[in-house]
Order: sequence, then structure tokens, then C-alpha cells
Amino acid sequence: SQTIHQWPATLVQPVGSPLSLECTVEGTSNPNLYWYRQAAGRGLQLLFYSVGIGQISSEVPQNLSASRPQDRQFILSSKKLLLSDSGFYLCAWKREFASELFFGSGTQLSVL
Amino acid sequence: GENVEQHPSTLSVQEGDSAVIKCTYSDSASNYFPWYKQELGKRPQLIIDIRSNVGEKKDQRIAVTLNKTAKHFSLHITETQPEDSAVYFCAASKPHSSASKIIFGSGTRLSIRP
Repeated sequence: SQTIHQWPATLVQPVGSPLSLECTVEGTSNPNLYWYRQAAGRGLQLLFYSVGIGQISSEVPQNLSASRPQDRQFILSSKKLLLSDSGFYLCAWKREFASELFFGSGTQLSVL
Repeated sequence: GENVEQHPSTLSVQEGDSAVIKCTYSDSASNYFPWYKQELGKRPQLIIDIRSNVGEKKDQRIAVTLNKTAKHFSLHITETQPEDSAVYFCAASKPHSSASKIIFGSGTRLSIRP
């Protein structure tokens, strides 16, 4: 069966510090991978998605970047965090050309 | 690109009554419309979906309707129960295209009053 791992679960970082959130999927190959951000009381904002290794599509210009160094690994990064980067970050995956999206357990990021 | 509008943002209904959440989308090429439920502190999970070749779909107490012409779709929950309290998200996508992004609405926080 397929599983998705996302870590860490919570993170408190000072403004200006770097960020690296990691997500891995097991039990499938060539998944479509996604990063979403959920600000407090708001919806799921698509940040990045990837259909293959090294292929990253950015939805919203911002202080973040994403990379896919391996087929089942998706990384969200920032060189210098802003207060506005605080939020709940969700990684998700689906099979290529399939419909259902499966979410990771999320990372609650607080930038202070 | 696709834009999904969802309303209301909050909804409170008496236990046993019905709840309706509505969404509109902008890209007429979107053909898959899922609904996700996110309980407090948990990840969103798919509860029901509908494809563009179908007008309505039911699964026990929940149903979804789709009006392709008007580009809107709705979630209906009947005989609401306390465990229906959660945040609900609608979404639109084109899963069989190379541009495989899934755009969500802003969410509806549903509260069931005992």
C-alpha cells in the first residue's frame, strides 16, 4: 500500500532563518506531488506541484521554492523566512492521471 | 488558470437538519470535482467526488450536484450529525491532463448544533 510521510509535525523558526520541509511517498512510482499551505482560517493554497523528477511548477510567487531530487521525494525550502510564511503546510500525492489526492499529516510552521 | 470560489465560509445548522455548501469554478475544461473533509487537527480526506459527465451523485447522507453550464457544484449533507462538524473543501481539476494541478476553494467550517 502507499503511504506519505511528512516531517516535522511542528516547527518554530525565527524570521530570516532557512526552511526545509520534506515529504516522501512510499509504495508507488512517478507520483504527482504537491505542496499546499493552509493559513489560519483560510483555504488550501496550491504552492507547487511536480509531475516528475526535477519538474516543478510554481503557482504563487513567494518566498518559497520546491525541489524534487528523487522520484518520491518533494522538498519545500526557503532561504529566509518571513512572518507571513507561518501556516500549516500540507504535502500531497496522487497517481499520474488518477483523481484522488492523498495528504500528508502536515507541518505547522510558526515564524516568530 | 482555474479559480474556485466557495461559500459560505462558516455554516451552523441544527443537528438533523440539512447543510448545503456551494462552489463555482472558472475553467470550463475542468472535469473532476472532489470534496474533502478536514476534521480538527487532521489531514483533509476525500468524501465524495463527481465527474463532468454526471449531474448528481449520492453516498448515504451526502450528495453532490454539478451544473456544467453554470460552472457550479454543491455538497448536500442531510440528517446532519455531530461528527459532520469539520471544514469542507471543494476542488476542481483536470486529472487526465499533463497540467495536473488541483485547485481548492477557501473552505467552509460546518458546525452542528446539538
